[in-house]
Amino acid sequence: SQQGEEDPQALSIQEGENATMNCSYKTSINNLQWYRQNSGRGLVHLILIRSNEREKHSGRLRVTLDTSKKSSSLLITASRAADTASYFCATVKTSYDKVIFGPGTSLSVIP
Amino acid sequence: EADIYQTPRYLVIGTGKKITLECSQTMGHDKMYWYQQDPGMELHLIHYSYGVNSTEKGDLSSESTVSRIRTEHFPLTLESARPSHTSQYLCASSEWTVARNEQFFGPGTRLTVL
Repeated sequence: SQQGEEDPQALSIQEGENATMNCSYKTSINNLQWYRQNSGRGLVHLILIRSNEREKHSGRLRVTLDTSKKSSSLLITASRAADTASYFCATVKTSYDKVIFGPGTSLSVIP
Repeated sequence: EADIYQTPRYLVIGTGKKITLECSQTMGHDKMYWYQQDPGMELHLIHYSYGVNSTEKGDLSSESTVSRIRTEHFPLTLESARPSHTSQYLCASSEWTVARNEQFFGPGTRLTVL
């Protein structure tokens, strides 16, 4: 079964608004990662948050992690049309485990 | 920009042909992965490797095979392509250490089997 599940599946917002995506997972993890994928391209790593961290920032990105609820959220502030992409969360437990990706959230930012 | 390369970027072939999708990385990463992804859909892990001479099957059953003779190279081979193999194939690599295991992806190979 899926380790990571994103919510919502699709999100459409106006440029300048904030976008929030959520990720839930089932088992304990070492870290959780967020990736972006532009249409037809490979994924690009955005941010990694470790299980002992609660919040992390990178530019307009803010990621939170709640290990008690087994959930994470990705907030993109002041969205731009260029943020239009699919966003995936991924989790991993140990070096011997596979990184498991969720199904992704498709974000459309309307100019 | 990640130092991981895939060739070809696009491939259109007929049913029954043997094909090899190339993937190479210059970061010295131990782990490498192959994913299959249909447009707008989730990634499916089909093969991965922990290092030289290590190959493992992923979560999605695949008729493809892989080899890992050199650290930097992880080719995927389809012995007899079929229309059901039409998809995008993404290669990725990462360090061994779980604390630094973010994956670096190549640009992908879009395969169409007629």
